Amino acid sequence: NAGVTQTPKFQVLKTGQSMTLQCAQDMNHEYMSWYRQDPGMGLRLIHYSVGAGITDQGEVPNGYNVSRSTTEDFPLRLLSAAPSQTSVYFCASSYSIFNEQFFGPGTRLTVL
Amino acid sequence: AQRVTQPEKLLSVFKGAPVELKCNYSYSGSPELFWYVQYSRQRLQLLLRHISRESIKGFTADLNKGETSFHLKKPFAQEEDSAMYYCALRIRGGSEKLVFGKGTKLTVNP
Repeated sequence: NAGVTQTPKFQVLKTGQSMTLQCAQDMNHEYMSWYRQDPGMGLRLIHYSVGAGITDQGEVPNGYNVSRSTTEDFPLRLLSAAPSQTSVYFCASSYSIFNEQFFGPGTRLTVL
Repeated sequence: AQRVTQPEKLLSVFKGAPVELKCNYSYSGSPELFWYVQYSRQRLQLLLRHISRESIKGFTADLNKGETSFHLKKPFAQEEDSAMYYCALRIRGGSEKLVFGKGTKLTVNP
């Protein structure tokens, strides 16, 4: 099993550009989530999904969109990147919120 | 409001010394708490959860509902314990999610 994979590992964007961070898992997990990690701020939940077709907002959803068309994939879209979105992004998955979350390796995003 | 507080950003101890990483929470429901750890160049991973009541890598954590705390303890720190530690609270009912603290960076010096 590959576990939770994220692409790309690194990305540099200009303000206003859009992009999609990819997240996939091969563990048949229902629950998937996106976090951003910033120095001194810890991990903050952006969006999460309890199953295909179901998504909900976390603590810091503004500027991000998600969709969950399959169990395996949970992409995160930045519609118009801003410097405040410079961060490390982690995707995680678990059988349910009751279970251990497995994290991906992260995507380091810089917005100039 | 649901909140997890880790008061120490940085914690430095010497090898063999006891270590305690503090975590306090605010939650109106029945709490379920976790400790996650991120070693250098590795993924964030679960260290332990309070309902398991187990010791992992020599670490233990006891839920104290009176003090709303879930401190992580180890009697004798090792250099390989150096890492970033996050306390997390599971929120239930309506929104099912984990709320993380800001993390404590533990450095164990030789």
